[in-house]
Amino acid sequence: DGGITQSPKYLFRKEGQNVTLSCEQNLNHDAMYWYRQDPGQGLRLIYYSQIVNDFQKGDIAEGYSVSREKKESFPLTVTSAQKNPTAFYLCASSIPGGGRDTQYFGPGTRLTVL
Amino acid sequence: AQSVTQPDIHITVSEGASLELRCNYSYGATPYLFWYVQSPGQGLQLLLKYFSGDTLVQGIKGFEAEFKRSQSSFNLRKPSVHWSDAAEYFCAVGPGGYQKVTFGTGTKLQVIP
Repeated sequence: DGGITQSPKYLFRKEGQNVTLSCEQNLNHDAMYWYRQDPGQGLRLIYYSQIVNDFQKGDIAEGYSVSREKKESFPLTVTSAQKNPTAFYLCASSIPGGGRDTQYFGPGTRLTVL
Repeated sequence: AQSVTQPDIHITVSEGASLELRCNYSYGATPYLFWYVQSPGQGLQLLLKYFSGDTLVQGIKGFEAEFKRSQSSFNLRKPSVHWSDAAEYFCAVGPGGYQKVTFGTGTKLQVIP
């Protein structure tokens, strides 16, 4: 079955530590996205990538970093510079054109800073 | 800049009653519009989308939405709500392609017996 997987489902981090969230897709989609979700604020775009080895900052990129070395993978690192990292993180992917400009989401990772 | 407003933060309906969730957007051209649903602790699932053509769009789970350009709205409707529809619903707008999609803040639906 094709889809998007995110791991881990729950992640706990001590203050000052970097953590990396995994996102993998086997949908053969070109574009991938990372969103942060906080209660009452909807989804906010952190980073997105249209092709391998290229990515762009979204609205709230400060304190985050990404890489896109493979089409299937788009890991997100939450650095110690992110002041308030506790949130629900969602990864998505899409393929454009012909009415298929739709983002498909993974199940999410809940990050809690202790 | 594109934006989405979902004016209702929380809605409660009785099971079997009809439902309408409001979505207003701001966008310069004809937008790509989406409705997603999210169960607690889960990812988002696409309910339906509008790109062009017929302004009444049918989606999964018995949902439909109507694009009204004159009102800049894309309201989601269901004629008879089931208890399993309790979730949070997000409206989104974008220009299509790989461009940025903007999400609303969501409407949480509670269904009472």
